[in-house]
Amino acid sequence: SSELTQDPAVSVALGQTVRITCQGDTLRNYYASWYQQKPGQAPLLVIYNRNNRPSGIPDRFSASRSGNTASLTITATQAEDEGDYYCNSRVSSGNRWVFGGGTKLTVL
Amino acid sequence: QVTLRESGPALVKSTQTLTLTCSFSGFSLSTAGMSVSWIRQPPGRALEWVALIDWDDDKYYSTSLKTRLTISKDTPKNQVVLTMTDMDPVDTATYFCARLRGDYESDAFDVWGPGTKVTVSS
Repeated sequence: SSELTQDPAVSVALGQTVRITCQGDTLRNYYASWYQQKPGQAPLLVIYNRNNRPSGIPDRFSASRSGNTASLTITATQAEDEGDYYCNSRVSSGNRWVFGGGTKLTVL
Repeated sequence: QVTLRESGPALVKSTQTLTLTCSFSGFSLSTAGMSVSWIRQPPGRALEWVALIDWDDDKYYSTSLKTRLTISKDTPKNQVVLTMTDMDPVDTATYFCARLRGDYESDAFDVWGPGTKVTVSS
């Protein structure tokens, strides 16, 4: 399958840990990257190359993979982490890319 | 500093052809490993990958859109152009261009333009 499936919405209490998951067969062959998007803004890369953070992304963001599931974990979640999160990877055929449906994170 | 910026018409009519330009700085598409992609997002909906062109002029298209798309690059001008034919109201979206970096099994769109909103009228 070329699809990546994400839970539509997740909520977390301020300061707690949250995990956002992304499922798809292509993830057995390719690593996911993760993006944060706030209303009216372009997506922002938060995790790439397995579990690396671009400059300026806090170390409370981390990622992992198990089988066909990729996970983004945010520890000590802050109010500014609220937004939509998308996973992305190549499709198993190799030369196409796909995004997950997105997860709306609410910080309570 | 790497930057990208999209430009093009805000409004097109059904059946018309859309032409979008991505102008970028801080890198060159003549450098091995560099690629630029188009990604779109309908209002209130998820991101959708559209097309990509790499430094070697290889071109890749979304399966569902490929018959309508052409992507090209003007390396000296640091621009990537996307044309989409036979526009329909369902193509109404914000169109982003982004740079792709990384290795084959773990690449990512590391820098994005602000996006350009395109509305298709019927």
